[in-house]
Amino acid sequence: EAEVAQSPRYKITEKSQAVAFWCDPISGHATLYWYRQILGQGPELLVQFQDESVVDDSQLPKDRFSAERLKGVDSTLKIQPAELGDSAMYLCASSPILERSDTQYFGPGTRLTVL
Amino acid sequence: DQQVKQNSPSLSVQEGRISILNCDYTNSMFDYFLWYKKYPAEGPTFLISISSIKDKNEDGRFTVFLNKSAKHLSLHIVPSQPGDSAVYFCAASADAGGTSYGKLTFGQGTILTVHP
Repeated sequence: EAEVAQSPRYKITEKSQAVAFWCDPISGHATLYWYRQILGQGPELLVQFQDESVVDDSQLPKDRFSAERLKGVDSTLKIQPAELGDSAMYLCASSPILERSDTQYFGPGTRLTVL
Repeated sequence: DQQVKQNSPSLSVQEGRISILNCDYTNSMFDYFLWYKKYPAEGPTFLISISSIKDKNEDGRFTVFLNKSAKHLSLHIVPSQPGDSAVYFCAASADAGGTSYGKLTFGQGTILTVHP
């Protein structure tokens, strides 16, 4: 069964360093999402792509976070500089088309710890 | 502003009994609701959904009920099994049209433990 791949699974970094996360969605899925999940809370959408275009980044802290999906396939989320409050699980999800009833398939996530 | 709330952080149930997980929402624009299940070290997986034009949707042991007037939905699992032990998230989306499709707002999650 096709899955969403994410790497690394775990990342420990020091405050003010740069970090990057990678996501490879299920083949053929046009829509890709990045979520942040803080411990004890539900996932919160950071950015949504349709193919290579950003369709919603209203919750992305743009002073330090950036996301790209250059060829409309895999995607990278970057944080520079990392802050203590960025410690969280970063989840990537994909769905076949931009249609709300489509199931979003999640990857296993990247657990980020900022020291 | 927490638009989707799961007020019970945890629930413990005996195997074979019914599990009822609750979710409340405040945004009257929400008209599509989903439940996701999450095991440790895995991403959330889709469980069941319901559109606001319905008040019930059933899939095997899982049934979701929607009460629009109360802005409340619940997930019933009957009978509960130890393998159902996981974190359950309620999520909602609004028909804002255009590119806003797919944006989910999640609740905080409820940890379900089913004891043998």
